[in-house]
Amino acid sequence: AQTVTQSQPEMSVQEAETVTLSCTYDTSESDYYLFWYKQPPSRQMILVIRQEAYKQQNATENRFSVNFQKAAKSFSLKISDSQLGDAAMYFCAYRGNNAGNMLTFGGGTRLMVKP
Amino acid sequence: EAQVTQNPRYLITVTGKKLTVTCSQNMNHEYMSWYRQDPGLGLRQIYYSMNVEVTDKGDVPEGYKVSRKEKRNFPLILESPSPNQTSLYFCASSYTPSRAEAFFGQGTRLTVV
Repeated sequence: AQTVTQSQPEMSVQEAETVTLSCTYDTSESDYYLFWYKQPPSRQMILVIRQEAYKQQNATENRFSVNFQKAAKSFSLKISDSQLGDAAMYFCAYRGNNAGNMLTFGGGTRLMVKP
Repeated sequence: EAQVTQNPRYLITVTGKKLTVTCSQNMNHEYMSWYRQDPGLGLRQIYYSMNVEVTDKGDVPEGYKVSRKEKRNFPLILESPSPNQTSLYFCASSYTPSRAEAFFGQGTRLTVV
């Protein structure tokens, strides 16, 4: 079974600074997808960024980028120029070829942004 | 607008009183799933369905039931709720189990006293 680990329960960053959230995972599959979801106080789950395991290039979405290290099974999220609206819970998630499990989530990292 | 709709958003109930949380999607997705979210544990899958009349257990199915009589609806049933089922619940859907993005409902905060 796949597992996803987020080792940082809480992080804080100064507004306009850069922060990196860590995620590691364990799998025996070679083809899979990785995601970062944002959950603001509204509780809505918002997809931030996705990475296909077969792609070597790291995904980027505006101020959000990932550092995908397939051999190390590491998938960190970098947020540049942090904004107050970035404050939220962030979940790392894995999706493989097992038809049963849509997504396996990490425990989450609460990000606080200081003005 | 493409969406997954859960109801209710908040529910307080007493131990043993049967309840149903509804979930409906308007994207013609085959795949639907229920998750519960607890502090420090992230979201864990309760049940999933790959199509009408096809359902199976996820990681934490005890105490829950589901049904998939129509493609768009996937209700979660708690026959006899207990306090350890107090949690935040999410319904999600996607086109296929793998590759495609999952769309989430707004969440249901359930408290069992």
